Amino acid sequence: NAGVTQTPKFQVLKTGQSMTLQCAQDMNHNSMYWYRQDPGMGLRLIYYSASEGTTDKGEVPNGYNVSRLNKREFSLRLESAAPSQTSVYFCASSELSPGGSEQYFGPGTRLTVT
Amino acid sequence: AQSVTQLDSQVPVFEEAPVELRCNYSSSVSVYLFWYVQYPNQGLQLLLKYLSGSTLVKGINGFEAEFNKSQTSFHLRKPSVHISDTAEYFCAVSRTGGFKTIFGAGTRLFVKA
Repeated sequence: NAGVTQTPKFQVLKTGQSMTLQCAQDMNHNSMYWYRQDPGMGLRLIYYSASEGTTDKGEVPNGYNVSRLNKREFSLRLESAAPSQTSVYFCASSELSPGGSEQYFGPGTRLTVT
Repeated sequence: AQSVTQLDSQVPVFEEAPVELRCNYSSSVSVYLFWYVQYPNQGLQLLLKYLSGSTLVKGINGFEAEFNKSQTSFHLRKPSVHISDTAEYFCAVSRTGGFKTIFGAGTRLFVKA
């Protein structure tokens, strides 16, 4: 099992450009999440998908959109990138609910917006 | 709403010494508590979790944590650390039945030879 995979690993964008971060899991998990990690701030939830067909906002959704393409895949889109979106982005998955369920994390995407 | 405070941003310690990483949380409802570890340039992985039952929870790599409801704390301990324990450690809380997990800001553990 590959677990949770993310592409790309690194990306540099200019302000105003758009891009999509891809995430896939092969553990048959129902729930998937997108976080951003910034120094001194821990991980902050951007969006999550409790189950296939549903998505909900997390703590910091502004400037992002998501798509739960199927049970395996959950993508994050930046429509018009801003320097404030420079961060490391992590995708995670868990069984039906994180309440009590371990989250499995991908290796991250390091994004720089200039 | 839940919140998590990790009381130390960095903890330097010598190899084979004991270590405690402190975590306090606040919540008006029942919660689950977690500790995750992040090695350089990697994602997070679970060290241990408290769901219910015994307040002393044992995890991987010799770590343990104690849930203290009266002090709303969930401190992580290891009696003897190794160089390989150098990493960032995150305390996290989620509401029972909820979908959102709140992470603390992290504590960087440096183990020196």
